[in-house]
Amino acid sequence: GNSVTQMEGPVTLSEEAFLTINCTYTATGYPSLFWYVQYPGEGLQLLLKATKADDKGSNKGFEATYRKETTSFHLEKGSVQVSDSAVYFCALSTSGTYKYIFGTGTRLKVLA
Amino acid sequence: DAGVIQSPRHEVTEMGQEVTLRCKPISGHNSLFWYRQTMMRGLELLIYFNNNVPIDDSGMPEDRFSAKMPNASFSTLKIQPSEPRDSAVYFCASSAQPSSGSRSEQYFGPGTRLTVT
Repeated sequence: GNSVTQMEGPVTLSEEAFLTINCTYTATGYPSLFWYVQYPGEGLQLLLKATKADDKGSNKGFEATYRKETTSFHLEKGSVQVSDSAVYFCALSTSGTYKYIFGTGTRLKVLA
Repeated sequence: DAGVIQSPRHEVTEMGQEVTLRCKPISGHNSLFWYRQTMMRGLELLIYFNNNVPIDDSGMPEDRFSAKMPNASFSTLKIQPSEPRDSAVYFCASSAQPSSGSRSEQYFGPGTRLTVT
């Protein structure tokens, strides 16, 4: 079946450090891939997405590239800020179902 | 657009009472999802609807939980009777799904924090 695996958190970084949060997936067919962010006390918000192989999603300085050969969609940011502290979820959905599969989430804490 | 609207935002109730959570999806969206989030179990999909029809309710914990979508602009999640282990944040999400092709993103509501004492 379809699944998403994220790196365990929490991840603690200093401000302006480089961020990578790993995400790999298993899916039949060609899924759409998403990164969502959840700030404390709020719902999940879409951060970026990619719908086909080699697509790069980007938003607010975050980037992720859809790598079909490695079945990965790692999230990166060159210089994190304190305001990026949140929980990040990787997710996929395939055209054969309306269901979304979410990873377990990775908590990021950025220190000033 | 107002986004996905959920009510109430907070609910505190006693064990054994009935609880009803409400959701208004984004206008024009044809899929609606109910999730539950806890520290122990993370984000769990409870049920989802497409064009007001329940497609998959395999995530509903037990018969105490029920969900309805009487029309395209309203859905409810009911717990009767409630138990302390139902305490969680419940999210509603909606999306506009084409009949085929790439999947579009989900839009989440702010959630309802339920506490059962």
